[in-house]
Amino acid sequence: GENVEQHPSTLSVQEGDSAVIKCTYSDSASNYFPWYKQELGKRPQLIIDIRSNVGEKKDQRIAVTLNKTAKHFSLHITETQPEDSAVYFCAASKPDKLIFGTGTRLQVFP
Amino acid sequence: NAGVTQTPKFQVLKTGQSMTLQCAQDMNHEYMSWYRQDPGMGLRLIHYSVGAGITDQGEVPNGYNVSRSTTEDFPLRLLSAAPSQTSVYFCASSSHGNQPQHFGDGTRLSIL
Repeated sequence: GENVEQHPSTLSVQEGDSAVIKCTYSDSASNYFPWYKQELGKRPQLIIDIRSNVGEKKDQRIAVTLNKTAKHFSLHITETQPEDSAVYFCAASKPDKLIFGTGTRLQVFP
Repeated sequence: NAGVTQTPKFQVLKTGQSMTLQCAQDMNHEYMSWYRQDPGMGLRLIHYSVGAGITDQGEVPNGYNVSRSTTEDFPLRLLSAAPSQTSVYFCASSSHGNQPQHFGDGTRLSIL
């Protein structure tokens, strides 16, 4: 079955710096790769997603890249702000089965 | 729209008890799933359903049962609760398996 590895488990950055979180997946049939943000005590919420026919996608300060050959994808957050502090999860899905990584706790210091 | 509604929000059980976690969505989504979230382990898929009458196992199905008699509801049953099932449980739904998942607020379950 699918296995998703996520690194790093914790990441601390200064406000205004960039943050990068990386994930690898095992099943080459996976074709949908969402990223979720979870604040303490809250539900996970989708922040961006990418499909296997696209190499990169941007939404304001957030971007995701996908390398199908290497089976890895990354989340890039530029100009980080304190409100970006949260746990971020990557996930990979072939139809019907969405498997999550173990999460990255991002702390942005003012 | 209420979105995805989970009940109860908190529950404490004794080992060996059974209970059902409720999940309902009002978005006419075909796809629903249950996850458990434990510290350091992310969200692990328990069971999922691609439509009424169809369910399948996820990564960690043992000790849990599901059914999907209607599009709206996807209850999760713990047959005989064990301390290892202490966790936060999230229900999610989407129009299709490869579409953004909408999560409920979660149920925090403690098994003593």
